[in-house]
Amino acid sequence: TQLLEQSPQFLSIQEGENLTVYCNSSSVFSSLQWYRQEPGEGPVLLVTVVTGGEVKKLKRLTFQFGDARKDSSLHITAAQPGDTGLYLCAGGGGGSNYKLTFGKGTLLTVNP
Amino acid sequence: ETGVTQTPRHLVMGMTNKKSLKCEQHLGHNAMYWYKQSAKKPLELMFVYSLEERVENNSVPSRFSPECPNSSHLFLHLHTLQPEDSALYLCASSQGQFNSPLHFGNGTRLTVT
Repeated sequence: TQLLEQSPQFLSIQEGENLTVYCNSSSVFSSLQWYRQEPGEGPVLLVTVVTGGEVKKLKRLTFQFGDARKDSSLHITAAQPGDTGLYLCAGGGGGSNYKLTFGKGTLLTVNP
Repeated sequence: ETGVTQTPRHLVMGMTNKKSLKCEQHLGHNAMYWYKQSAKKPLELMFVYSLEERVENNSVPSRFSPECPNSSHLFLHLHTLQPEDSALYLCASSQGQFNSPLHFGNGTRLTVT
């Protein structure tokens, strides 16, 4: 069974601070997706990374896929209140186009 | 508009009731999914339909019964549920290809009393 561990589970910071959240596994994934879920809404895809060592930037968000494709990180620069939400990572592969392994998420609160 | 619409948004039902959750996608996708989201647990995949055929069924109790009449609509029929079934039920759709992202609806918050 593939598992994804996300850390920290909760994070509360002030506006303007930087932060990093992690997604780790002992299993290899063919891809890693990051989603953000705001209260009362469904998760929304932020990025997909597929190549070991890949780095993708989305404005103030930087995503990295580990060289061995077992881990990923999300770094946010100068966090804003609009970044508040539950950040979920999901690993793809395992012989199915349909099964994603989700982590439990990191709940981020950015205080003004 | 998210492209994936779920109704109702909230549902309270007793253990002897029968109810249905509805999902509709307007994205032209050919795969649709039901996920269960509970506190302190990862998202749990329940069912997947591709081109209206069920392709995944993750050992879900028979009190949950999915139905996919066409590629745009997905239902989850509920009967004799237990209080531990209370959760957020999310519908999603995708192209059904490798690495295809999921497009989620806003979910139905289900409470079983």
